[in-house]
Amino acid sequence: GAVVSQHPSWVICKSGTSVKIECRSLDFQATTMFWYRQFPKQSLMLMATSNEGSKATYEQGVEKDKFLINHASLTLSTLTVTSAHPEDSSFYICSARDFAGVDLFYNEQFFGPGTRLTVL
Amino acid sequence: GDSVTQMEGPVTLSEEAFLTINCTYTATGYPSLFWYVQYPGEGLQLLLKATKADDKGSNKGFEATYRKETTSFHLEKGSVQVSDSAVYFCALITYNNNDMRFGAGTRLTVKP
Repeated sequence: GAVVSQHPSWVICKSGTSVKIECRSLDFQATTMFWYRQFPKQSLMLMATSNEGSKATYEQGVEKDKFLINHASLTLSTLTVTSAHPEDSSFYICSARDFAGVDLFYNEQFFGPGTRLTVL
Repeated sequence: GDSVTQMEGPVTLSEEAFLTINCTYTATGYPSLFWYVQYPGEGLQLLLKATKADDKGSNKGFEATYRKETTSFHLEKGSVQVSDSAVYFCALITYNNNDMRFGAGTRLTVKP
């Protein structure tokens, strides 16, 4: 099946620093990638949807200036948490959708393994 | 809006017990339905899916049938194993919403 990787798998940083998380589709082209946030023992919360070559669409309540998303190619999207604070500590998961062209809603999303961010 | 409701956990079973995790949905139009599994410290893995009414998804002994009349997609397994301990998420995609909507997740613990 399609593989999505994330890097790093975990990161610890100091408050006030910025952290970049990469999401790559390894064996398919992903016109759309999604970023989720998951708090302990909770479900996934969609943060934003990014389409290759265009600006990301953020969900209500998600600060776009704090969570910068770049989808520069069909295989790479990045999430940068700017000026991170302890409340940004969470598990961030990306997913990518294979481009089929005909029936988008039929296409499942393929999920990365997640990145655990801890802000001290 | 479109949404998924899952039975609340946690669920604790003995090995070889029968498993049911209920999932119902609300959607405009006809969604595709999915079950994902998340093992500790990992991302989500697709367990099974169904894209139209009466379809049955199955994988690794798990099954779920897309029931349009009851708007349900309950997950079942006849005999669970300790290795099935994980969190299970029901999810949907509709034509109008390109993003996936998840249920709250159900934590399953299987004891030897």
